[in-house]
Amino acid sequence: KAGVTQTPRYLIKTRGQQVTLSCSPISGHRSVSWYQQTPGQGLQFLFEYFSETQRNKGNFPGRFSGRQFSNSRSEMNVSTLELGDSALYLCASSSGQGAINEQFFGPGTRLTVL
Amino acid sequence: DQQVKQNSPSLSVQEGRISILNCDYTNSMFDYFLWYKKYPAEGPTFLISISSIKDKNEDGRFTVFLNKSAKHLSLHIVPSQPGDSAVYFCAANTGGFKTIFGAGTRLFVKA
Repeated sequence: KAGVTQTPRYLIKTRGQQVTLSCSPISGHRSVSWYQQTPGQGLQFLFEYFSETQRNKGNFPGRFSGRQFSNSRSEMNVSTLELGDSALYLCASSSGQGAINEQFFGPGTRLTVL
Repeated sequence: DQQVKQNSPSLSVQEGRISILNCDYTNSMFDYFLWYKKYPAEGPTFLISISSIKDKNEDGRFTVFLNKSAKHLSLHIVPSQPGDSAVYFCAANTGGFKTIFGAGTRLFVKA
């Protein structure tokens, strides 16, 4: 089974621009979650989608948005980029059902905002 | 508000000895606790989990202990191997598909 893929792997943007990141989950998985990882902060939960619906949302400003398509692929968008948005953005997929919710992560997209 | 805390940013252990990684949490509603391991340039991978109704779960060299009264859990790795050197994340969820992660502990296993 192919793993979770994320594109692009690296991205450099300037302040004020917007960016779209893409995530393809493991085949059959219907849940996709997005996380922001910064040094010392661990993984901060952004949002989770299941069958094209956002089920959970973290404490991030409205500049961060996402969506999920009918094939479970997901995109995350950040508008009006700020220097503090520089981070590793991780996507994780799971079945979206069951209690433990073991997640499978992609390698991440490293975003640098200049 | 950090609901899951890993207070040790790093830990160094000799090969063959025991590694103990600690995690504290504040939300008594968490149903499941999970540990993930992360190597550089890779996403985290699931390691082991424990339900809130248990106090111990074991999988090979990895054992997780849960102390609900203290809101504390720990991951024991015995014996530690150089390949275990990675960042370990403690995580918790309430079964609602919102998983909260700690800041991570970097483990160094010296040969």
